Formats: sequence, structure tokens, C-alpha cells
Amino acid sequence: GQNIDQPTEMTATEGAIVQINCTYQTSGFNGLFWYQQHAGEAPTFLSYNVLDGLEEKGRFSSFLSRSKGYSYLLLKELQMKDSASYLCAGMDSNYQLIWGAGTKLIIKP
Amino acid sequence: IAGITQAPTSQILAAGRRMTLRCTQDMRHNAMYWYRQDLGLGLRLIHYSNTAGTTGKGEVPDGYSVSRANTDDFPLTLASAVPSQTSVYFCASSEGHSGANVLTFGAGSRLTVL
Repeated sequence: GQNIDQPTEMTATEGAIVQINCTYQTSGFNGLFWYQQHAGEAPTFLSYNVLDGLEEKGRFSSFLSRSKGYSYLLLKELQMKDSASYLCAGMDSNYQLIWGAGTKLIIKP
Repeated sequence: IAGITQAPTSQILAAGRRMTLRCTQDMRHNAMYWYRQDLGLGLRLIHYSNTAGTTGKGEVPDGYSVSRANTDDFPLTLASAVPSQTSVYFCASSEGHSGANVLTFGAGSRLTVL
């Protein structure tokens, strides 16, 4: 079956770095997405990886290893506003998104 | 402001009643989607439409129906609501439906079925 696994909750300190991991099993693979969702709000797009390697976008970076079925989202210089849930989603061979349950990131001062 | 508008924002509904959640986008996106989000679970696709005039079933379509009469509107109907349909419903759209396809989400509709 198809599955996305990510930790339920993580805690980090303001100004620090945190890495949120995601492992995926999909029928075929057409890319890996990360979305951010603040409490009570809609998810918003952060990143898309389809090739192996690291994609950097300001304080946020996303990494993909297709051979390992693994991705991570790296957040640097954490700010209080980064407190949110981070959703990992894999796209299968039919271009359908399979979503993880999300990782709730708590930032402490 | 370009985006997706969902209505209502929140609704409490008696079991057995019919309910339509409205979704309108002004980005001229081809594809539209309805998801439900429940605590501890990932977003689950209910129905989708790759282009106006076509619809398809997602992962959890039972008890729901959709229509796509034009590009902008994609209403979701619960014919006879049941308590298990209590959830937050998100409408989303994208330019296409394959590849690096970024979804834009509406603000969500919180539905409680009693």
C-alpha cells in the first residue's frame, strides 16, 4: 500500500535548526511536496523535490533521496512564526497526492 | 485578491440533512479538489476535477458528490449527512494535475454533524 510517515510532534528553540523527516512508499513516484499549515488555517506550499538532492529556499531547505524513499525539511534560524504543522506528501504514478498526518512543530523562546 | 473562496466557514448540521459546501476560484486553474482533514490523519481526497465538465472519485468519495459546470466553481454535496462526516473540508485548485503541481487551498469549512 501507499504510506507517508513523519513524526507527530517536534519541539525546537527559537534561533536553532530543526530537521523534519518523512519516509514514503508510493506506487510510482512523481515528486515529494512539503506544505506548512498554521493552526486553523489552510496549508500553503513550501517545496517540491523530484530529483535527488537538496533544494534551498531562504531559511527552508528540502532534501530527497529516491533510493531510500526519504525526504527531510530543514528549517534554519527558527522564528516563533514557524510554529505550525508541516505536511509531507508524495505524488504517485497517477499524479495523486498521498499525505502524511503532519508534524506539529513547537518553537520555544 | 486571487484565490479560493469557501463557504460556509463553519456549520452545525443535523444528521440526515443535505448540505452543499461551496468553492469558487478566480485563478482560472484547470484542476480542483476536495479534501477532508481529521485529527491524526493526513488530508484525504474526496473528489477531484481535472478540468471543467469532468470529475473523479478520490480516496473517500462515499456519501459525497460534486459537479464542475464551469472552471471557477466546484461545490461538494453531502446528500444525507452522518456524524462521521464531521471534519474540516478544504477545497484546493492547481493549474494542471500532474508533475510539479502546486495546490492552492481555500480557508476551509468546519462541518459538525450531530
